[in-house]
Amino acid sequence: EVQLVQSGAEVKKPGESLKISCKGSGYNSFTTYWIGWVRQMPGKGLEWMGIIYPDDSDTIYSPSFQGQVTMSVDKSISTAYLQWSSLKASDTAMYYCARLAAASWSPLDYWGQGTLVTVSS
Amino acid sequence: EIVMTQSPATLSVSPGERATLSCRASQSVSSNLAWYQQKPGQAPRLLIYGTSLRATGIPARFSGSGSGTEFTLTISSLQSEDFVLYYCQHYNDWPQTFGQGTKVEI
Repeated sequence: EVQLVQSGAEVKKPGESLKISCKGSGYNSFTTYWIGWVRQMPGKGLEWMGIIYPDDSDTIYSPSFQGQVTMSVDKSISTAYLQWSSLKASDTAMYYCARLAAASWSPLDYWGQGTLVTVSS
Repeated sequence: EIVMTQSPATLSVSPGERATLSCRASQSVSSNLAWYQQKPGQAPRLLIYGTSLRATGIPARFSGSGSGTEFTLTISSLQSEDFVLYYCQHYNDWPQTFGQGTKVEI
């Protein structure tokens, strides 16, 4: 069974750094499926942030998120990461990781349970 | 960036009725269009991909159609668990944007 298990909820202050994780399991090769990140702000819709290819860490960011977050992977432990160097209150949201079904032009077929990030002074 | 527009924002229907949800792209996305369902407090779930292909385990009452810039998700006979949120998403280019969602309510 394909599973993406995300790290737990975080409460941070503005200006702090954060790295959340997404561990994949149950499929043949973590390294050959792109992983995407999606933001959902409170009460709002889904926003596509970007994708990363675990085998070579190739990344594609949405222009809206370029420079605001960094995606990375540690393929030795089948884990993808999303990180911020300096959080803002507007980063408060649920963040989902999801697997792309095939190539980089694919739908998101399996999703993590989400990581709630709260940024408040 | 391709803008995806869903209509209506809220769709009021009765159990057992048919629901038709629309999604329009600001430019052609070919058939690279997916639909997701999101229940309260849960992650989205892939329903339809490639405009009309049902994902694994999705009931036959869900169907998709369209091409280019106009797409439709049809739920043929609404069950109680179908009264939730639905999003369309294109994956024809980057960024692979989502529509703003349609809430199906009783």
